[in-house]
Amino acid sequence: DADVTQTPRNRITKTGKRIMLECSQTKGHDRMYWYRQDPGLGLRLIYYSFDVKDINKGEISDGYSVSRQAQAKFSLSLESAIPNQTALYFCATSDLQQNTGELFFGEGSRLTVL
Amino acid sequence: AQSVTQPDIHITVSEGASLELRCNYSYGATPYLFWYVQSPGQGLQLLLKYFSGDTLVQGIKGFEAEFKRSQSSFNLRKPSVHWSDAAEYFCAVGSGYALNFGKGTSLLVTP
Repeated sequence: DADVTQTPRNRITKTGKRIMLECSQTKGHDRMYWYRQDPGLGLRLIYYSFDVKDINKGEISDGYSVSRQAQAKFSLSLESAIPNQTALYFCATSDLQQNTGELFFGEGSRLTVL
Repeated sequence: AQSVTQPDIHITVSEGASLELRCNYSYGATPYLFWYVQSPGQGLQLLLKYFSGDTLVQGIKGFEAEFKRSQSSFNLRKPSVHWSDAAEYFCAVGSGYALNFGKGTSLLVTP
């Protein structure tokens, strides 16, 4: 089983719908992240969390919200999806003890907003 | 603010030829540097990383990278490319709380 699991792996939805992407990890890491990947733009940070009570905005948080339900679970929500949120979304974890920023990625969730 | 530049959006090499992918960073302190690879339809896999010490680091799949502080560079190299190396490659710099990624270089390998 993967250390970082994302669900769903693929989702097609319509404009205005609420969408939740879920991430769970078995690595025991405190830090969890959501990134978005768009062709030609690389990966951009949406939100990150250092523990259950710590949530921080990244560079492109508008239109998104997150919830850290437990140390191992970090979900990303789009309250009202729009077409330009069509992208590949990655959840990642990192080890606080190392403090280098090295990330361990899930396999990605491809979201299409029509 | 830290930033990462990958000057080449696309690179095409012949199978068996050598490869160098460029990465330049901007960061005030000693950076933590990474190269990740994303094969088509796949997630991201760590190729190699530099934290400190020897400036030439070895990674998986025969890749290596050299940290050059004077040039603010961390270029990725491979002496002989295989068709399976066709993928997108991302350079990233770590600040200690997150990674900042370059926009990626897409590698095409021709027969």
